[in-house]
Amino acid sequence: NAGVMQNPRHLVRRRGQEARLRCSPMKGHSHVYWYRQLPEEGLKFMVYLQKENIIDESGMPKERFSAEFPKEGPSILRIQQVVRGDSAAYFCASSPRDRGRQANEKLFFGSGTQLSVL
Amino acid sequence: AQTVTQSQPEMSVQEAETVTLSCTYDTSESDYYLFWYKQPPSRQMILVIRQEAYKQQNATENRFSVNFQKAAKSFSLKISDSQLGDAAMYFCAYRRDTGNQFYFGTGTSLTVIP
Repeated sequence: NAGVMQNPRHLVRRRGQEARLRCSPMKGHSHVYWYRQLPEEGLKFMVYLQKENIIDESGMPKERFSAEFPKEGPSILRIQQVVRGDSAAYFCASSPRDRGRQANEKLFFGSGTQLSVL
Repeated sequence: AQTVTQSQPEMSVQEAETVTLSCTYDTSESDYYLFWYKQPPSRQMILVIRQEAYKQQNATENRFSVNFQKAAKSFSLKISDSQLGDAAMYFCAYRRDTGNQFYFGTGTSLTVIP
């Protein structure tokens, strides 16, 4: 049973380009979370999605950032017109169901995508 | 707002010795969950240990144990018999009883000296 798969592992973009980060959750998991880790900082929540639904995007910048988790295929975090401040490691995590009160359930993390904006 | 503070950016420990990593948090909630995650150079986030706030007994997982002081809002991680493979960044995290957000500290980089 493969873990959470993120690709690419490293992504280099020039300012103004678009970045697409992909996340395939663990088999059987229908809930995906995206986190951003800036240098010298912990992980910051960005967005929580279920299949075809955005549940909580309170941590995601209103401009340039979007996320989706289609019925088929991986979850995509899309950053338009990237700027240098977007350089960070972006982590995806998955769980089998709404964690709600099931906090004892583990959140499974991928190995992240390191985005570098030149 | 919930905040998690790790005041030790770097720590080191001799192999086979014991080390304690500190974590404090701020919350007005009475029910919540606390976690320690390990992030080795591979960047994979690995759950080390978790604690439910309503449980008074400190959680233990093999060589890893916590000292949970609810009144003081303190949640330290003790690693006994340190091994070279324990070298990593360690993140303390808080999660409310309901909801999906984890709040992470800024991490402590642990070096294990052979």
